[in-house]
Amino acid sequence: DIVMTQSPLSLPVTPGEPASISCSSSQSLLHTNRYKYLDWYVQKPGQSPQLLIYLCSNRASGVPDRFSGSGSGTEFTLKISRVEAEDVGVYYCMQGLQTPPTFGQGTKLEIK
Amino acid sequence: QMQLQESGPGLVKPSETLSLTCTVSGGAITSSSFYWAWIRQPPGKGLEWIGNIYYNGNTFYNPSLKSRVTVSADTSTNQFSLYVSSVTAADTAVYYCARSDFQKTGTIQAHFDSWGQGTLVTVSS
Repeated sequence: DIVMTQSPLSLPVTPGEPASISCSSSQSLLHTNRYKYLDWYVQKPGQSPQLLIYLCSNRASGVPDRFSGSGSGTEFTLKISRVEAEDVGVYYCMQGLQTPPTFGQGTKLEIK
Repeated sequence: QMQLQESGPGLVKPSETLSLTCTVSGGAITSSSFYWAWIRQPPGKGLEWIGNIYYNGNTFYNPSLKSRVTVSADTSTNQFSLYVSSVTAADTAVYYCARSDFQKTGTIQAHFDSWGQGTLVTVSS
C-alpha cells in the first residue's frame, strides 16, 4: 500500500494568519494521464469528512478560494491563506492512484 | 443534492457478521457518474477505505479486508450495503458511506464528494 505521511500532526494558528500542511507519499502519485491523484479532506468536529481539494490542486465545489493545493509526484501541500475559526478540524490527505486508496494520519488544526 | 444515510445495528458480537445499509436520496445509485464506497474510522484514529461498488455490481475491495467483506447494491431501493464477517474488536469503528464521482478524476477511488453522517458499530459480547 502507498503510505501517506502528514506534518505537522498538530497546527495551532492565529485567525487571519496563513497555514500550511504537508503530505508526502511513499510512491509517486503522478499517473500516465498527467493527473496527480491526491485529495485533501477536512473533518470538522463531530462531522463527516468533506472534500476540499482533488487532483492535487482543484478546489471542490463550494470550497473557499483561501484553500489551495499544490505538489509534485510525492510531496504535496495544502495552504490556507487566512485561517478562520470555522477551519478548525482534522485535515487528511488521501491518495487515489492505487488500490487501496490510503489516508494520511491527519493534521489537527486549532485556533490559538 | 444527493444525501447518504447509514443504518444498521450499533452493536455486533465477536465472530458475527456486521451488516450496514446506505440509503441514497436526491438521486439514483444507477447514475453512470458515481461509484459508492464504504470507509471506516476506528475511534480516535484515521480513515480506512473498505470498498466500492458500481450500480451494475462491479466491486473493488481493500485487500486487507477482502476475505471478510462484501458490498452489494439494490437499485430497486436505491441502497447499497456492507457485510463484514467474523468481526473482532478491531472492527469497532464509525462506518461511513460515500460517493465517488469518477467522471471528475477518471478513477473510482478518489473524489469522495458526498458522505453520510456515519454510524458507530461496536464489536463486543
